[in-house]
Amino acid sequence: QQQVRQSPQSLTVWEGETAILNCSYENSAFDYFPWYQQFPGEGPALLISILSVSNKKEDGRFTIFFNKREKKLSLHIADSQPGDSATYFCGRGATGGNNKLTFGQGTVLSVIP
Amino acid sequence: GPKVLQIPSHQIIDMGQMVTLNCDPVSNHLYFYWYKQILGQQMEFLVNFYNGKVMEKSKLFKDQFSVERPDGSYFTLKIQPTALEDSAVYFCASSQDRTNTGQLYFGEGSKLTVL
Repeated sequence: QQQVRQSPQSLTVWEGETAILNCSYENSAFDYFPWYQQFPGEGPALLISILSVSNKKEDGRFTIFFNKREKKLSLHIADSQPGDSATYFCGRGATGGNNKLTFGQGTVLSVIP
Repeated sequence: GPKVLQIPSHQIIDMGQMVTLNCDPVSNHLYFYWYKQILGQQMEFLVNFYNGKVMEKSKLFKDQFSVERPDGSYFTLKIQPTALEDSAVYFCASSQDRTNTGQLYFGEGSKLTVL
């Protein structure tokens, strides 16, 4: 059972556009949602995260929008740059539970100059 | 930033052999993890480890898998015996806190090829 779903599987945008990556989850018990960025040949690295008590988290060009009622969240990358080309993983964890972080299947983003 | 080191970066072995993947976590971190990634796709949780014990393991963590961190040395993942389906990139991660709010730091991965 896949508990974190990401869409699209791959996304191509032009430099300067806003890329929108989507994530949905099934279990309301989870309240911590990080996004990790992975470049080829490297391990994932934390990009930005949000707790479910918030509906928006912004960090520079990166913004998470969170809809708890619909169990959906999205990562918006404004003014996309070629250096943003990477795989993005949506994760979920539970603040009151064990320290297991589960990821979706990832979205491969390509930014064309 | 903090670095997690993984050794080896790539290992090729024959099916049925034993393999040990080594991880040197961030020095003051207390929680350790292994993830499995196939073909650059989903990061699958295998196991987490704290205070010398496995806290939770997934269905992917078969009986042939074991983890340990003897005396604060490397955090290791051992597979004995290996199977073809064990071919993947294995990522070690560590965190100072529980992942409810703590950041996971990942290594660059150990690519395992089982022939």
